[in-house]
Amino acid sequence: EAQVTQNPRYLITVTGKKLTVTCSQNMNHEYMSWYRQDPGLGLRQIYYSMNVEVTDKGDVPEGYKVSRKEKRNFPLILESPSPNQTSLYFCASSWAGDSYEQYFGPGTRLTVT
Amino acid sequence: TQLLEQSPQFLSIQEGENLTVYCNSSSVFSSLQWYRQEPGEGPVLLVTVVTGGEVKKLKRLTFQFGDARKDSSLHITAAQPGDTGLYLCAVNSGYALNFGKGTSLLVTP
Repeated sequence: EAQVTQNPRYLITVTGKKLTVTCSQNMNHEYMSWYRQDPGLGLRQIYYSMNVEVTDKGDVPEGYKVSRKEKRNFPLILESPSPNQTSLYFCASSWAGDSYEQYFGPGTRLTVT
Repeated sequence: TQLLEQSPQFLSIQEGENLTVYCNSSSVFSSLQWYRQEPGEGPVLLVTVVTGGEVKKLKRLTFQFGDARKDSSLHITAAQPGDTGLYLCAVNSGYALNFGKGTSLLVTP
């Protein structure tokens, strides 16, 4: 089954404790991306990757890091989480082409206290 | 500045009614996508429109891309409770993706 998986699905952590949210896709997509979704602000892109070792900032990259060492994986790293990073996070992937139609993962709900 | 403006923000209707939601911008786009997101899940792609004036149908959903490729609409005929969700439009500018804030639709029996 073609899918994007994210782990963990739920995470409660404390300020400053480094964490990683994993993302994996089995569709051989070149393009992968991370979004956060907040009430009133909608879905905003954090980082995206065009292919292995190629990443770039989206609209809200501050406080986040990413890496793309393998085509199927695109982890999101919060080195020192803060309460304003409490949000619902989505990973997505797509073919690289004209439209970048996104296949989304199920989401990770992160709470930073 | 929001690249895509969606309206209305919220819509609550009864089963069987028709509705239209809008996605507007001052920019021209090569294509535009519509997604539906149900509570607790990730967005799911419904359709991509590419050509100005294009109309695409997906069962009771009709999508239209404006002639000038600056705006799009989604019309739902005879809405059902299963249509409940957040409807998002999205465009790509370069390699980045931009989403509107969405229209939250509630269809009650």
